Amino acid sequence: ETGVTQSPTHLIKTRGQQVTLRCSSQSGHNTVSWYQQALGQGPQFIFQYYREEENGRGNFPPRFSGLQFPNYSSELNVNALELDDSALYLCASSRLAGDQETQYFGPGTRLLVL
Amino acid sequence: GQSLEQPSEVTAVEGAIVQINCTYQTSGFYGLSWYQQHDGGAPTFLSYNALDGLEETGRFSSFLSRSDSYGYLLLQELQMKDSASYFCANNTNAGKSTFGDGTTLTVKP
Repeated sequence: ETGVTQSPTHLIKTRGQQVTLRCSSQSGHNTVSWYQQALGQGPQFIFQYYREEENGRGNFPPRFSGLQFPNYSSELNVNALELDDSALYLCASSRLAGDQETQYFGPGTRLLVL
Repeated sequence: GQSLEQPSEVTAVEGAIVQINCTYQTSGFYGLSWYQQHDGGAPTFLSYNALDGLEETGRFSSFLSRSDSYGYLLLQELQMKDSASYFCANNTNAGKSTFGDGTTLTVKP
């Protein structure tokens, strides 16, 4: 167990809907990164939050947005869901932004868009 | 752009040694990480190399050559439980990690 939790574990949505995924980071970690992992592929970096500010973003459209709270927990919001958004969404926490020597991943949220 | 290349599949027998290679192209490279992921599970950190050379952690070792943009993960004394996907990931100064598509390791009796 990494101490990183995510909710919900599974979610089914329909195209066009909006979804919010949540992540609680490991104690003492102030950096949270979000990844999308499609079946058979590696995790794709969405964005990272460090001390409540976005600190780096991957090639994802603006309908993917996030927040980090003062307790360093985080949310990933996806608007106007598309079928291709079906994937495992992982969050990972680490102690330092930029120096991602060790990232601790949560168990993920499996999203299915119908 | 950034990309990492690793073999898609590797098969080995229990007790053997296996090496999973990873080549990368990136700018602002900080280091190379390795993760293990079992089916349905989360990636688990295995090892990290920021400098050239070998890092050893129990049965697992990882190597990096920055001049060759190349690294590998070495797994010794393979066990059935080592059957999983293994990902290399590079860390950049942009504060994000880029993962390869993973190598599926199958350990046979």
